[in-house]
Amino acid sequence: EAGVVQSPRYKIIEKKQPVAFWCNPISGHNTLYWYLQNLGQGPELLIRYENEEAVDDSRLPKDRFSAERLKGVDSTLKIQPAELGDSAVYLCASSHGTGSSQYFGPGTRLLVL
Amino acid sequence: QKEVEQNSGPLSVPEGAIASLNCTYSDRGSQSFFWYRQYSGKSPELIMFIYSNGDKEDGRFTAQLNKASQYVSLLIRDSQPSDSATYLCAVNIPTNSGYALNFGKGTSLLVTP
Repeated sequence: EAGVVQSPRYKIIEKKQPVAFWCNPISGHNTLYWYLQNLGQGPELLIRYENEEAVDDSRLPKDRFSAERLKGVDSTLKIQPAELGDSAVYLCASSHGTGSSQYFGPGTRLLVL
Repeated sequence: QKEVEQNSGPLSVPEGAIASLNCTYSDRGSQSFFWYRQYSGKSPELIMFIYSNGDKEDGRFTAQLNKASQYVSLLIRDSQPSDSATYLCAVNIPTNSGYALNFGKGTSLLVTP
């Protein structure tokens, strides 16, 4: 069974530029999560999707971050414009449902200069 | 704030010894508990989950849960240098929209040959 796929693996951009991350969850997993992880910290949830519906986006900074999961499968997370403090690892995870075990993708390491 | 607390370490144990990793949580409504292993530069990997009070064993790993004390632990028997990693405790907390997985900051484990 293929795991969670994310791209790109690394991204370096200048501040104020836009950036987008893509995630394809494990086949059959209807719940998809985007997390942010800073060095020395645990992952922090940004947004959770149940199929195509964003059911928990309370921690997503909506002034600059947006996400979509149009067909209930893969998802895109966008930052526009990026700030220096956005440098972090962006992790995507999926599960069979809320409360079930979550499986993480390899992450996208973002560096904003 | 729903807290998940872990000692950041590093916890150093000799090869072949038992490593004991501990985690406390603040929300008594928490239903399920997870342990993730994270190697440096990699994403979290699920190694154990536990829902009920008591012990759950899987190979060299044993998860222990005490809901009355709000305490969950992970024991690693016959520790190997390849077990050296950061171990993240995660707690599923009920929310208005389902469950949210809250992570601790992780405990760094070093197994010395």
